[in-house]
Amino acid sequence: DGGITQSPKYLFRKEGQNVTLSCEQNLNHDAMYWYRQDPGQGLRLIYYSQIVNDFQKGDIAEGYSVSREKKESFPLTVTSAQKNPTAFYLCASSYRGPYSNQPQHFGDGTRLSIL
Amino acid sequence: SQQGEEDPQALSIQEGENATMNCSYKTSINNLQWYRQNSGRGLVHLILIRSNEREKHSGRLRVTLDTSKKSSSLLITASRAADTASYFCATDALVSQGGSEKLVFGKGTKLTVNP
Repeated sequence: DGGITQSPKYLFRKEGQNVTLSCEQNLNHDAMYWYRQDPGQGLRLIYYSQIVNDFQKGDIAEGYSVSREKKESFPLTVTSAQKNPTAFYLCASSYRGPYSNQPQHFGDGTRLSIL
Repeated sequence: SQQGEEDPQALSIQEGENATMNCSYKTSINNLQWYRQNSGRGLVHLILIRSNEREKHSGRLRVTLDTSKKSSSLLITASRAADTASYFCATDALVSQGGSEKLVFGKGTKLTVNP
């Protein structure tokens, strides 16, 4: 079955450490997105990518980095510069834009906590 | 800032009752989407309604859109315990760079359906 796989499900970060969250999709979607969700809040866009080797900052990109070397993969690195990384991270994908007209398909998230 | 605001923040009903959730937004849109999120999981797309549509149905779901009032409602009829989840509206919005569009999510309505 096609879908989006995020791993790991739970992740713990030590002080000063960079951690990478994995997102893989086999839906043949061009566009991929990373969101952050805090308790009782909506989703905030971190980064998005419309095609391979191209990505743009979202609303809260500071302290995060991404790469898009393959169509299927869009990993997110939470760097030590992100001082408040504890959150639920969601990856999504959709057919290429104008992508606000396209439903987004989501993975089941990675919950990141600070040790 | 978030474009959509859901109301109420929380809703508790008995099985078999109807549940109505509202979404208000601030600026003009091309379309509005509703998503569902079960606890600890990713979002699932429910329905997309375009700005030139007034009502749309999908199974037990009915969505209305009033662009003059900048509001939308999601009605779930004959609710079931399995409908317990958070429901989010998402609207399209121009990003500040590149002229591309993105989805902007509200904070959601937490629906509890009691057996």
